[in-house]
This record gives sequence, C-alpha cells and structure tokens, in this order.
Amino acid sequence: AQSVAQPEDQVNVAEGNPLTVKCTYSVSGNPYLFWYVQYPNRGLQFLLKYITGDNLVKGSYGFEAEFNKSQTSFHLKKPSALVSDSALYFCAVRDVTGKLIFGQGTTLQVKP
Amino acid sequence: NAGVTQTPKFRVLKTGQSMTLLCAQDMNHEYMYWYRQDPGMGLRLIHYSVGEGTTAKGEVPDGYNVSRLKKQNFLLGLESAAPSQTSVYFCASSYSVTGAYEQYFGPGTRLTVT
Repeated sequence: AQSVAQPEDQVNVAEGNPLTVKCTYSVSGNPYLFWYVQYPNRGLQFLLKYITGDNLVKGSYGFEAEFNKSQTSFHLKKPSALVSDSALYFCAVRDVTGKLIFGQGTTLQVKP
Repeated sequence: NAGVTQTPKFRVLKTGQSMTLLCAQDMNHEYMYWYRQDPGMGLRLIHYSVGEGTTAKGEVPDGYNVSRLKKQNFLLGLESAAPSQTSVYFCASSYSVTGAYEQYFGPGTRLTVT
C-alpha cells in the first residue's frame, strides 16, 4: 500500500540557517511526489513536485526538494530560512489511482 | 479567477443536524475532492469526483454524501452530524490524475458539532 511518512512533528530553525523537512514514501512503481504548505487558517498551497528527471526539484518561495530513490525520500530544503516560512508542511504521493496520499504534516518554526 | 472557493467558512451544528458544504472552482478542472483535516492526521480523503455526475468514496466516506451535478461544483453533505465530524474540511480540484497535476485547495470550512 502507498504511504507517506513525515518523521518530525516539528522542526525548529533560526532565521538565515538552512532548513530540511523530511519525507519518506512507499509506493508501487515510479513515484509522483508533492510538497504543500499551509499557513494558519488557510488552505494548502502547492510548492513543488517531482515527476521524473533531475533529482533536485526547485519550487516556489526558494524551496527545493531532493528525490532519493534508494532511500525512498523526498526531503524539502531551503538554503536560508525566513520567519515567514513558519507554517505547516505536507508531503504527498500520488497513488496508482491518481489520488494524493498525505503525510501527517510537519510544523516548521523559524525563529528570528 | 477565484480558484477554489468554499462556503461557509465556519459552522456550528448540533448533533443530528444536517448541512451541506459547497465547493466551487472556476478552472474547468475535471477532478474534485473533499478532505478532512484533523490534528496529527494530515488530510484524509472523504469523497472525490472524476467528472460531472460521477462520485466515488475515499478513505473516510462514512457519514458523508456528495454530489457533482455541475462540473464546477462539488457538494458535501452531512445528513446527521456527529461530534466525530468536528474538523476542518477542504475542497480541492485538479485538471487530471493521469499526469502529475497538482491539486488546488480551497480555504477550508471549520465545522464544530456539539
């Protein structure tokens, strides 16, 4: 069965430092992977996706994600965190029927 | 271009009452979805639709019904609300599922059942 795991409930980083939000997946076949961000009292916003090709995917707001097939991971990264990046982040994988399966979410807290 | 809109934004129901949540999208998307979001559980798919007039069950469909009479609208109904249905409900839409098309989400409806 397809699944997504985000092992950290919360990630704390200082502004200006690099950040990583972890995601691992289990899926049959080639994975389609997504990252979404949710700001307080808002809907989810699409950040980036991996379909095929380059393992480093660039997305919105300076975020990028690294696909690692051998480790079945798709970690979200940013070289320099901003306080405004503080939000809830979701990793998702597309299952064989085309629906998205979401991880439980990771709260990112960036402190000044 | 409003994207995905949801009405209402907030609602309080008493146990046993019924209500309908409305989702509308103006992107001509074929696929629409209803999710619920609960703390620590991510988003769980309730029902979805692959086109006008068609609906299907998702991961947690019990206690909910849906209808897609028009391509741009997807309604979620609760016939007899229960406290376990207290949640934030999100609607989403996407162009297709055969490619890696992302889903676009509405702002959510916060429902409390007392």
